[in-house]
Amino acid sequence: KNQVEQSPQSLIILEGKNCTLQCNYTVSPFSNLRWYKQDTGRGPVSLTIMTFSENTKSNGRYTATLDADTKQSSLHITASQLSDSASYICVVSGGGDYKLSFGAGTTVTVRA
Amino acid sequence: DGGITQSPKYLFRKEGQNVTLSCEQNLNHDAMYWYRQDPGQGLRLIYYSQIVNDFQKGDIAEGYSVSREKKESFPLTVTSAQKNPTAFYLCASSKGSSFGYEQYFGPGTRLTVT
Repeated sequence: KNQVEQSPQSLIILEGKNCTLQCNYTVSPFSNLRWYKQDTGRGPVSLTIMTFSENTKSNGRYTATLDADTKQSSLHITASQLSDSASYICVVSGGGDYKLSFGAGTTVTVRA
Repeated sequence: DGGITQSPKYLFRKEGQNVTLSCEQNLNHDAMYWYRQDPGQGLRLIYYSQIVNDFQKGDIAEGYSVSREKKESFPLTVTSAQKNPTAFYLCASSKGSSFGYEQYFGPGTRLTVT
């Protein structure tokens, strides 16, 4: 079964600090990996999409990395802001039919 | 949220009643999807449609029904046969019909059944 595991489940950081979220997956064959940001009570919004050949991708203060050999990805948030408080969801496309496998998300709380 | 609208934002129903959730997109996207989100779980695919007048069951289609009569509309009906209907429902669309295309999500509808 294709699975996507995210850690930690939640974290609290002080405004201005950095943090890193982890994503491990077993989806095979692999097509692409996406990170989404979901504010409470809203729909997810795409941050990055990475294919097999991409190791790093940035979107402002968000930087995603991908190691397709170990099937691991991380999302690094630099100089966190209060508006970064949200759930971050790792999504992997693949498994032959390219259907999406969703992680449960990491809830980030940024405090002043 | 892009050009995808879902209504209503909150919906309350009594057990045993059918309820229809609306999803409209003005992005001219071919494919549309319905997902269910429960606390502590990843999104799960209910139904998807890659072309007008055609749709496919996802992983958890039991107790749900859909229609795709127009390219821009993909309503979801939660029937009384759905055992645990209380959840956050998300509609999405993509430009191409393959799952490999990026999906854009609507703002969601929170359904509460008592």
